[in-house]
Amino acid sequence: GENVEQHPSTLSVQEGDSAVIKCTYSDSASNYFPWYKQELGKRPQLIIDIRSNVGEKKDQRIAVTLNKTAKHFSLHITETQPEDSAVYFCAAPYSGGGADGLTFGKGTHLIIQP
Amino acid sequence: KAGVTQTPRYLIKTRGQQVTLSCSPISGHRSVSWYQQTPGQGLQFLFEYFSETQRNKGNFPGRFSGRQFSNSRSEMNVSTLELGDSALYLCASSYGGEGTEAFFGQGTRLTVV
Repeated sequence: GENVEQHPSTLSVQEGDSAVIKCTYSDSASNYFPWYKQELGKRPQLIIDIRSNVGEKKDQRIAVTLNKTAKHFSLHITETQPEDSAVYFCAAPYSGGGADGLTFGKGTHLIIQP
Repeated sequence: KAGVTQTPRYLIKTRGQQVTLSCSPISGHRSVSWYQQTPGQGLQFLFEYFSETQRNKGNFPGRFSGRQFSNSRSEMNVSTLELGDSALYLCASSYGGEGTEAFFGQGTRLTVV
């Protein structure tokens, strides 16, 4: 199956600053890269995803970039707010062939300092 | 519409016992995936079912098994429980097909004593 590495494991930023989380993957055939946010005691929720036919996607304060050559993708959060505090997971398809199932990175605990 | 529902929410079992967890997907979703979440290993993929067929399987021992019914509801079973099986078990449903958004249930917290 796919292997996904995520960095950093903890990220502390001042409210209003930007946060960047980076992930690398191993399978060059992977073509779908979602990001999930998990607040304490809650279920993971999709916040943004990107497919391999685009290099960047934005949704308000959140953006994701993808570099297929280098096999890495990143999550960018601008103008961070207290409600952005959570654990963020990147993911890629566990295996190809059209089946579902994701391999997740180990997660980044984002802390927004007031 | 209703979200993904997992039952029970909490379970306490003894080593050596077996357990069955249930997942009801969002109406219309045909794919159900299962994950184990622990502080040390994070979110790990167990298996995925689509139209009652297992299409994908993660790297877990044979003690972990699952099935899907014709109404897309899914169950997973863990036999001969070990202390290390204590975890949050999450299921996610989607319409099916790589790249379709997966929606997670709230999970079942399993504690093995």
